[in-house]
Amino acid sequence: DGGITQSPKYLFRKEGQNVTLSCEQNLNHDAMYWYRQDPGQGLRLIYYSQIVNDFQKGDIAEGYSVSREKKESFPLTVTSAQKNPTAFYLCASSIGVLAGEQETQYFGPGTRLLVL
Amino acid sequence: GQQLNQSPQSMFIQEGEDVSMNCTSSSIFNTWLWYKQDPGEGPVLLIALYKAGELTSNGRLTAQFGITRKDSFLNISASIPSDVGIYFCAGQPWTGANNLFFGTGTRLTVIP
Repeated sequence: DGGITQSPKYLFRKEGQNVTLSCEQNLNHDAMYWYRQDPGQGLRLIYYSQIVNDFQKGDIAEGYSVSREKKESFPLTVTSAQKNPTAFYLCASSIGVLAGEQETQYFGPGTRLLVL
Repeated sequence: GQQLNQSPQSMFIQEGEDVSMNCTSSSIFNTWLWYKQDPGEGPVLLIALYKAGELTSNGRLTAQFGITRKDSFLNISASIPSDVGIYFCAGQPWTGANNLFFGTGTRLTVIP
């Protein structure tokens, strides 16, 4: 089955703790993205990566970090510097603009992060 | 980042009715996408539009890429209870643009 997986489905964070959200895809896509969704709102871009070993900040990168060591994986770390981390986090992937294609992003099932 | 103007924000309709929602932008877009999101799940791609004027159907869903390239609409015909959810539009401003801009969503409730 081709697709995007995110784990865990729910994650609890204590104050001052860093947590890492997993995102894996087997679609052979070059580009991967992390979005944050707050209740009743649209999606806001945190970080994106167009190719392995490269990533760029999105609109709300402060308090987050990412890595892209493998094409299939794009983990997101929510650091203690992120003061309001409670949200629904969505990972997405696409063939990638480097291929010259028009952009179509596919989403994973999401991870809900809650602060204790 | 820019967000697209999506309307209406919410809709309550009777089962069997048709639904129409739209998305507008002040600038032109190269690609329009429509997604549906169920509670607690990720958005699922419904229809992708790549050319101005293009009209594409997916079952009971029909979407059009506006001729001005600044808008798109999504129609759902003969709604059923499982159509309930939040519908998002998204646009790519130009081929090679790094990311998408998203609408704020239309929440659809279908009354049986």
